[in-house]
Amino acid sequence: QVQLQESGPGLVKPSQTLSLTCTVSGGSISSGGYYWSWIRQHPGKGLEWIGYIYYSGSTYYNPSLKSRVTISVDTSKNQFSLKLSSVTAADTAVYYCARVGYYGSGSYNPWGQGTLVTVSS
Amino acid sequence: QSVLTQPPSASGTPGQRVTISCSGSSSNIGSNYVYWYQQLPGTAPKLLIYRNNQRPSGVPDRFSGSKSGTSASLAISGLRSEDEADYYCAAWDDSLSGLYVFGTGTKVTVL
Repeated sequence: QVQLQESGPGLVKPSQTLSLTCTVSGGSISSGGYYWSWIRQHPGKGLEWIGYIYYSGSTYYNPSLKSRVTISVDTSKNQFSLKLSSVTAADTAVYYCARVGYYGSGSYNPWGQGTLVTVSS
Repeated sequence: QSVLTQPPSASGTPGQRVTISCSGSSSNIGSNYVYWYQQLPGTAPKLLIYRNNQRPSGVPDRFSGSKSGTSASLAISGLRSEDEADYYCAAWDDSLSGLYVFGTGTKVTVL
């Protein structure tokens, strides 16, 4: 059973870069067949898709975040990562990682438990 | 940024049937599959329905999905207290070089 776990700093200063890692267990990213994604949820708000990556390194990003987002993969560690540059308070959110594609290209399942990142000086 | 519109709230008593709507456009629901997610309080979302009306293993058959044109619906029959949660629809949107969009979310309250 695949499980995902987010990790990274819970507090980031404005204008700095937010960096998070998602560790996958119970399955191998490099086996292919799935994409690996980041989604965020602003406090008390809805869900926003950030983007996803394939084990080969192919990426797809939300156009509204594309200029600031980088998603990368490290198959040797079975991890994928998110970097969001030039953060502001508007980037304060719970960040989730998820596997994409077990039940079709739009199925996000399972999800990590999420990690709250606060942008504040 | 939500382009899929849901009612903010819905409610029912135990045993009742509750329906949640999700309204989109030709570039998302009209041309792609719809997915539904359940988010229990304080937890991560969970896939509830995929490809419009299919249930992942382990999801009770009390949950059902449908789609017609540019709208979709999620129905919960035999409402139970543990169904109290936020529900989100989602779909790919073919505009802007591809974007996965979520609905605005519906809070279901069991009275």
